Amino acid sequence: DAGITQSPRYKITETGRQVTLMCHQTWSHSYMFWYRQDLGHGLRLIYYSAAADITDKGEVPDGYVVSRSKTENFPLTLESATRSQTSVYFCASSELGGRLHTQYFGPGTRLTVL
Amino acid sequence: GQQVMQIPQYQHVQEGEDFTTYCNSSTTLSNIQWYKQRPGGHPVFLIQLVKSGEVKKQKRLTFQFGEAKKNSSLHITATQTTDVGTYFCAGPPGNQFYFGTGTSLTVIP
Repeated sequence: DAGITQSPRYKITETGRQVTLMCHQTWSHSYMFWYRQDLGHGLRLIYYSAAADITDKGEVPDGYVVSRSKTENFPLTLESATRSQTSVYFCASSELGGRLHTQYFGPGTRLTVL
Repeated sequence: GQQVMQIPQYQHVQEGEDFTTYCNSSTTLSNIQWYKQRPGGHPVFLIQLVKSGEVKKQKRLTFQFGEAKKNSSLHITATQTTDVGTYFCAGPPGNQFYFGTGTSLTVIP
């Protein structure tokens, strides 16, 4: 679905480097989310944002930083990448809170940390 | 930690057989959502259940929400190869969403 995009789609980096994953949505959804997906763990919430300039931690926030200066963008930064952060990262958005509203997912970014 | 458990983790079925995945939460959920993720794809919303004991159908898919709102199930009748993928349940204690670990369905032609 072209409404939510992620870039890059694939990224290889080295331990210790800073990496930023981008997420952009065109629906003006209030809520945006970042998940990581690993085998055996399903989807785990890293951070979410209820609106511009409002962010909150999810289940696994350590090692990640987010910002949301504009409603449509929600970048995720790995300040110093570690091998354990090798994963597939999904961004999602929701019209209102996730409680009662569908989450729409982006295509994902496959990140490999060497 | 993970508050929404899903079983089984993997399921292989012959095409035409039925399939069921179960979702269990340690806490009462205000609602539950189901998503499907095709291999190599991203999760796509299927349905939401809100009421205790609710049952909803989408063609060959039947979704149930438990009376205590702590468990849910997805049943697929007469599976087809297009049903291949991983099925996730997701429930919100608050604004956070906890996804189950998913059930990966393989359909053997």
